[in-house]
Amino acid sequence: EAQVTQNPRYLITVTGKKLTVTCSQNMNHEYMSWYRQDPGLGLRQIYYSMNVEVTDKGDVPEGYKVSRKEKRNFPLILESPSPNQTSLYFCASSDHAENTEAFFGQGTRLTVV
Amino acid sequence: DAKTTQPPSMDCAEGRAANLPCNHSTISGNEYVYWYRQIHSQGPQYIIHGLKNNETNEMASLIITEDRKSSTLILPHATLRDTAVYYCIVKEGGSYIPTFGRGTSLIVHP
Repeated sequence: EAQVTQNPRYLITVTGKKLTVTCSQNMNHEYMSWYRQDPGLGLRQIYYSMNVEVTDKGDVPEGYKVSRKEKRNFPLILESPSPNQTSLYFCASSDHAENTEAFFGQGTRLTVV
Repeated sequence: DAKTTQPPSMDCAEGRAANLPCNHSTISGNEYVYWYRQIHSQGPQYIIHGLKNNETNEMASLIITEDRKSSTLILPHATLRDTAVYYCIVKEGGSYIPTFGRGTSLIVHP
């Protein structure tokens, strides 16, 4: 089954404690991306990657890092989480082909206290 | 990418057709119209997309006006499970990661 898998689904952590949210896709997609979703602000793109070792900033990259060492994985790293990074996070992937759809993970709800 | 305008909310009776409009007056010739929906904090789900012609799949129909400045997503027989936020996105062909606006919150009531 084609899917994007995020882990963990829920996470509560303390300010300053480094964490990683993993994202993996099994569709051999070139493109991957991270979003955060906050009430009243909708889905905002954090970082995206167009292929292995190619990443770029989205609309709200501050406080986040990503890496793309292999095609299937695109982890989101919070080196020093802060309470304003409490949010619902989604990972997505899509193929390089013409007019294809994007696939989304089920989300990671992060709370930073 | 062209911007889109959608009503913030709509409601529909169960079993009736839900018609969700989207304006994209600045769309260019090579931009596709995509629709996604998000059911209560789940990951967004692709519904349908089109360039010029009307499209239909098992989930919905997409009607694009001849001048391509607006479109309508039609859920022919809405159910309670169709209650969601619906996003209209326009994007050039080729691989992409969508950029989302605020969407339309559709509530299907009994």
